[in-house]
Amino acid sequence: QLQLQESGPGLVKPSETLSLTCTVSGGSISSSSYFWGWIRQPPGKGLEWIGSIYYSGNTYYNPSLESRVSISVDTSKTQFSLKLSSVTAADTAVYFCATQPMVGTIPDYFDYWGQGTLVTVSS
Amino acid sequence: EIVMTQSPATLSVSPGERATLSCRASQSVTSNLAWYQQKPGQAPRLLIYAASTRATGIPARFRGSGFGTEFTLTISSLQSEDFAGYYCQQYNKWPFTFGPGTKVDIK
Repeated sequence: QLQLQESGPGLVKPSETLSLTCTVSGGSISSSSYFWGWIRQPPGKGLEWIGSIYYSGNTYYNPSLESRVSISVDTSKTQFSLKLSSVTAADTAVYFCATQPMVGTIPDYFDYWGQGTLVTVSS
Repeated sequence: EIVMTQSPATLSVSPGERATLSCRASQSVTSNLAWYQQKPGQAPRLLIYAASTRATGIPARFRGSGFGTEFTLTISSLQSEDFAGYYCQQYNKWPFTFGPGTKVDIK
């Protein structure tokens, strides 16, 4: 069974870049069956999809964040990463990584999730 | 962007009773709709995908239905572990979007 674990700094200063990594175990990050996604949840609020990447490097980003987001994959380390630039307090959230099965022409639902990591943006 | 709405925002139900949660999409998502359960401090858990297919290990008391723009999650007999938040999500078109959630609490 796939397992995912987020890691990265829990505190980021305003205007800096948030960087997180998701380590995958129990399966291959090079699988053609999955996209690898990031979702966030501000404290007490709902879920927002950030973006998703295929092992080949093909990406989908949320247009609301696209100008600030970059997602990459490192198949040798079975990891994929998120970078979010020019952060503000509004980017304070729990960040989750998750898998998306690839059945049709675009990624599907999120089936396996990491436990999430809280990132606070504050000086 | 497809906007997802959920109702009610909060649903108070007694243990053993039925709970009915609604999700609406601003345009058709056909059957590309998932439901998640989330408890405080935990990651969401996939319950239903393709509008009505239960994910692995999900009890039969969870039932999803609907097509197009109107969807329902029914929990037939609420157990103590079912009191949680529930979110719907469309994956028919990107950006993938979630509803604002329904909190099911104890009456």
